[in-house]
Amino acid sequence: EPEVTQTPSHQVTQMGQEVILRCVPISNHLYFYWYRQILGQKVEFLVSFYNNEISEKSEIFDDQFSVERPDGSNFTLKIRSTKLEDSAMYFCASSEQRGDQPQHFGDGTRLSIL
Amino acid sequence: QKEVEQNSGPLSVPEGAIASLNCTYSDRVSQSFFWYRQYSGKSPELIMSIYSNGDKEDGRFTAQLNKASQYVSLLIRDSQPSDSATYLCAVDSGGYNKLIFGAGTRLAVHP
Repeated sequence: EPEVTQTPSHQVTQMGQEVILRCVPISNHLYFYWYRQILGQKVEFLVSFYNNEISEKSEIFDDQFSVERPDGSNFTLKIRSTKLEDSAMYFCASSEQRGDQPQHFGDGTRLSIL
Repeated sequence: QKEVEQNSGPLSVPEGAIASLNCTYSDRVSQSFFWYRQYSGKSPELIMSIYSNGDKEDGRFTAQLNKASQYVSLLIRDSQPSDSATYLCAVDSGGYNKLIFGAGTRLAVHP
């Protein structure tokens, strides 16, 4: 069964450094998403992406965050200057269509900021 | 602020019993509703989607939706120890292309 793949599974970074999280969505899916989950808390929406542009973003997704689809398969989340509070699990998801279709999640990247 | 509320649990049921998980949501324009299962340290795994009022069955799982009451539920029949996990209710944000998640209900199925 097709799946969303994320790399790396765990990223440890010094505070203030830039980090790029990578995702390969399911191949026939058109909508891509990033969510995060701080340990013990809810899954929170960050951003959705369609047709090479952001379609929706949350208040968490400030100027430190950016997303990109650099080629036909990858979808990346960049955090420019990481803070301690960015430590979380980051999940990439994709869906065939908009939010009325199920979103399928990758295994996540655990980001630890030191 | 759009909210999705779930009882955090834990909900403890014996093996073979029916587990009933509930969720309420605040945004009346939401049209799509999903149940995800999350094992500790893992990612959300889609179990069910439901879009219309009434029941939808898939194997041991039944999702129920009542839009007038803004209520979604998930029934798990013949519960197994492997069903022990946190169950997340997710609601689309009224066409804004994102899901709003509840905090999840922890289910423990004991032999």
